[in-house]
Amino acid sequence: GESVGLHLPTLSVQEGDNSIINCAYSNSASDYFIWYKQESGKGPQFIIDIRSNMDKRQGQRVTVLLNKTVKHLSLQIAATQPGDSAVYFCAEILHSRLTFGEGTQLTVNP
Amino acid sequence: KAGVTQTPRYLIKTRGQQVTLSCSPISGHRSVSWYQQTPGQGLQFLFEYFSETQRNKGNFPGRFSGRQFSNSRSEMNVSTLELGDSALYLCASKLGTASQETQYFGPGTRLLVL
Repeated sequence: GESVGLHLPTLSVQEGDNSIINCAYSNSASDYFIWYKQESGKGPQFIIDIRSNMDKRQGQRVTVLLNKTVKHLSLQIAATQPGDSAVYFCAEILHSRLTFGEGTQLTVNP
Repeated sequence: KAGVTQTPRYLIKTRGQQVTLSCSPISGHRSVSWYQQTPGQGLQFLFEYFSETQRNKGNFPGRFSGRQFSNSRSEMNVSTLELGDSALYLCASKLGTASQETQYFGPGTRLLVL
């Protein structure tokens, strides 16, 4: 079936570098996307969202880019910090429910 | 404002038993959704409740059921537990039924079936 997936299962960066986490989705009808961060032993934490009528949205140190032409979503984290180490999930609203991708484990090296 | 709370946080059961998990949403939130998270299948939607009514249901067997009370608290029940039911069960709440509302997750209940 259709699903949201992530290109890389792991990403390792140096502290202070910028991180880019990618996501491909398959349902062109999806109109709302969310990025969640999940730390070990915790539930997913909302980071940022974007609607399909936008192609970019910025938050504090994070930016989400949406390319509807190629059905691609990315999360950019500026000046990555050790506290950013976690699993990152993209999710889309599909059939009125959240459908999650597989997740990318981000590791920040000091 | 307190976040979503789930009890218990950890649970060990044996095959064939049943289990009930509880979720208290953020104050004022009336929609509660449940998800199962496993290493192999990732995060999968179980069901959503709003105003004590199930609005949406995922592709899980009938052994998985839920309900919502008038104060928006929700419970999910799994009967005749199987080893494969070992997972982190997450509850999420949001204000209403609009699809583009942010869902806020609780810490989860980690269930181990032996």
